[in-house]
Amino acid sequence: DIVMTQSPLSLPVTPGEPASISCRSSQSLLHGNGYNYLDWYVQKPGQSPQLLIYLSSNRAPGVPDRFSASGSGTDFTLKISKVEAEDVGIYYCMQALQLPLTFGGGTKVEI
Amino acid sequence: EVRLVQSGGGLVRPGGSLRLSCTASGFTSGNFVMHWVRHTPGRGLMWVSRVSSDGTTTSYADSVRGRFTISRDNAKNTLFLQMDSLRVEDTAVYYCTRENGDVDFDYWGQGSLVTVSS
Repeated sequence: DIVMTQSPLSLPVTPGEPASISCRSSQSLLHGNGYNYLDWYVQKPGQSPQLLIYLSSNRAPGVPDRFSASGSGTDFTLKISKVEAEDVGIYYCMQALQLPLTFGGGTKVEI
Repeated sequence: EVRLVQSGGGLVRPGGSLRLSCTASGFTSGNFVMHWVRHTPGRGLMWVSRVSSDGTTTSYADSVRGRFTISRDNAKNTLFLQMDSLRVEDTAVYYCTRENGDVDFDYWGQGSLVTVSS
């Protein structure tokens, strides 16, 4: 199974300031089609998870442009350019390259 | 509007069974691969199972294989998860989710709490 490792576990943030979350996979997520099969999700308090980023760098519909993501192979990063209060929650990366699909342990973003 | 509405869940003793349902609306569910994902406060999100759009191909996490069965009724736009031989460690909130074309989950159900306890 592909192991996903996120850091940090907890990320205190200040509204208006940037934030960054790292995600590493135990093997490359680069598919032969040139895409990296890495997604980012956020689970806000009391809500179901929601998709933020797919294929390592593509914002899902409706996701604000303060969210961006990059990376390739085994190293990936999610960035929030200016954190807003509504961004609090637990952020997860997930590899979608092969079954079983596996998630990182999560990063709790709190104000 | 795309919606996934879940039902089922509850309290069950170890060794017992439960069935979760997930009814889709706003899209033709038979055109999409569907999954179950569970969440526990201590361990975060874990993928549980996947079923192909026509229901003929299924996959499971090792920890549930042989005990859980995923299925679907496309005529009723409904996804199921039959959970047998439940263990305490299966306690979680279970979510059904739709797979978009790039193996990302673009819509999620509201979640069903399953508590396995004596």
